[in-house]
Amino acid sequence: SAVISQKPSRDICQRGTSLTIQCQVDSQVTMMFWYRQQPGQSLTLIATANQGSEATYESGFVIDKFPISRPNLTFSTLTVSNMSPEDSSIYLCSVEIVAGELFFGEGSRLTVL
Amino acid sequence: GENVEQHPSTLSVQEGDSAVIKCTYSDSASNYFPWYKQELGKRPQLIIDIRSNVGEKKDQRIAVTLNKTAKHFSLHITETQPEDSAVYFCAASDTGGFKTIFGAGTRLFVKA
Repeated sequence: SAVISQKPSRDICQRGTSLTIQCQVDSQVTMMFWYRQQPGQSLTLIATANQGSEATYESGFVIDKFPISRPNLTFSTLTVSNMSPEDSSIYLCSVEIVAGELFFGEGSRLTVL
Repeated sequence: GENVEQHPSTLSVQEGDSAVIKCTYSDSASNYFPWYKQELGKRPQLIIDIRSNVGEKKDQRIAVTLNKTAKHFSLHITETQPEDSAVYFCAASDTGGFKTIFGAGTRLFVKA
């Protein structure tokens, strides 16, 4: 298993601003994943973050809107840029310890006014 | 890319009854099928999984079945209890590609 810490746990943001979410893992992992979960919805993969390379984004998500950093094997950040109310969501960091098995952070609940 | 469909979206059962949730997937390359449980306000947590070389797996009151030919898999919960009430997500991944795609979720209510 893994212990995954996310910050902030929740925030209320103004339209047009940006917010950076941090994800810290208690062990070294090759891949970290960022998911979005809109209210009452499923989990949608935003991007996969590998250490030392650019993140790989899924269809519908772009680097300018969701820049990701992965400076080492235990840490990643996701920035939600130029936020609008449609970005109100829970953002979840996850890691894969055993092939395929995902462990999730507690999530960061963003509300954009 | 992979597409995972999940049914039903809502399921209400009486305590002690069984619950069955069904999923289909589209990508024949998928070889790993986990199920996650998400309680209100909590993170999703893996409860059981099945890999493509196995047809069925059981863990106490929970079982999963996989039909690779038909590209569908199911979660079975027997002797349901109120604490089983949660949202359940099926998922599929090609562990070589490391990308997990989730179904839409099933909200399970277990009435005492």
